[in-house]
Amino acid sequence: AQSVTQLDSHVSVSEGTPVLLRCNYSSSYSPSLFWYVQHPNKGLQLLLKYTSAATLVKGINGFEAEFKKSETSFHLTKPSAHMSDAAEYFCVVNVFSGGYNKLIFGAGTRLAVHP
Amino acid sequence: GAGVSQSPRYKVAKRGQDVALRCDPISGHVSLFWYQQALGQGPEFLTYFQNEAQLDKSGLPSDRFFAERPEGSVSTLKIQRTQQEDSAVYLCASSLFPRTGNTGELFFGEGSRLTVL
Repeated sequence: AQSVTQLDSHVSVSEGTPVLLRCNYSSSYSPSLFWYVQHPNKGLQLLLKYTSAATLVKGINGFEAEFKKSETSFHLTKPSAHMSDAAEYFCVVNVFSGGYNKLIFGAGTRLAVHP
Repeated sequence: GAGVSQSPRYKVAKRGQDVALRCDPISGHVSLFWYQQALGQGPEFLTYFQNEAQLDKSGLPSDRFFAERPEGSVSTLKIQRTQQEDSAVYLCASSLFPRTGNTGELFFGEGSRLTVL
């Protein structure tokens, strides 16, 4: 079965410092992986997606993620955190089942950004 | 509107009451998903519609949960005889294609937060 594991439930950084949110995946074949962000009382928003075209994926708001097959990882990074980055981040795997695709979410990582 | 709209945004129910949660997907979107997000957890799949057909309801936690999309647009998630463990945010998402392929781009509503007392 395909799944994702987010290694940290909470991450706290200072504004202007790098962000690293860790995600490992389990898949019997080449997966499609995504990161979604959820701001308080807002809908989930797609940050970026990996679909095997390139291992380094750039997303919105300066975020990027690197697909590493050897490590079964898809960590999310950003060089310099901004206060507005404080939110919940979800690593997601796309599962093809029953003739359609559905998204399976990790448990989430809450990112706090301090001045 | 331009996005997925859900109502009510907040619902408080007494244990045993029935509730109905509504989702207005983006116009023309074929696929519609319902997810349940408990406090501090990631969204969990409940059910999937392709147009009016409910193709997957494997995630519905019990027979108290029922979803419909009779005309292939608006969907309603109904929970009968609510229990405290039903307290969660219920998310609706839609996408344009029957098969999202590798895009993964579901468009989510802001959710309906259900609190069962």
